[in-house]
Amino acid sequence: GENVEQHPSTLSVQEGDSAVIKCTYSDSASNYFPWYKQELGKRPQLIIDIRSNVGEKKDQRIAVTLNKTAKHFSLHITETQPEDSAVYFCAASGGYSTLTFGKGTMLLVSP
Amino acid sequence: GAVVSQHPSRVICKSGTSVKIECRSLDFQATTMFWYRQFPKKSLMLMATSNEGSKATYEQGVEKDKFLINHASLTLSTLTVTSAHPEDSSFYICSVPSGGEKLFFGSGTQLSVL
Repeated sequence: GENVEQHPSTLSVQEGDSAVIKCTYSDSASNYFPWYKQELGKRPQLIIDIRSNVGEKKDQRIAVTLNKTAKHFSLHITETQPEDSAVYFCAASGGYSTLTFGKGTMLLVSP
Repeated sequence: GAVVSQHPSRVICKSGTSVKIECRSLDFQATTMFWYRQFPKKSLMLMATSNEGSKATYEQGVEKDKFLINHASLTLSTLTVTSAHPEDSSFYICSVPSGGEKLFFGSGTQLSVL
């Protein structure tokens, strides 16, 4: 089955800095890669996703890049704000909604 | 995206009792729903896939008789934790696929078994 590795497990940045979270996946058949943001005790919220036929996607301060050859995908957050502090999960899916999640990255943005 | 309602948000029960958690898709008919378990500061672990009108599909290592899943309609799936014990204490969360592969999550249920 699919295996998703996510790094780092924790990331501390100063407000205004950029943050990058990286994931790798094992199943070359995976073709859908979402990112979720989860605040403490809350539900995961889909923040951005990318499909395998696209190399990069951007939505305001958030961008995701995908390297299919290397089986890497990354989340980039620019101009970080304290409200960006949360746990971020990457995931990969090779079939209908059979998402495999990474272990999560706790992002802390200090004012 | 889909609006997913999950109840209760928090439940405390005595060891040996059963607890039912409901997951409703409010604006989307879902033939499939997913149930996850999440330990503190850990990732989401898929427990089972709930299938409307048929038996749920459980992930390896998940006890079918312990975690009963019923998907009686296109908008409702229930997870019953039977004879709950302290080790069953966890955050349980459901999700509904909408728009193909996009998953939308319920608000989760924090179960504490005393």
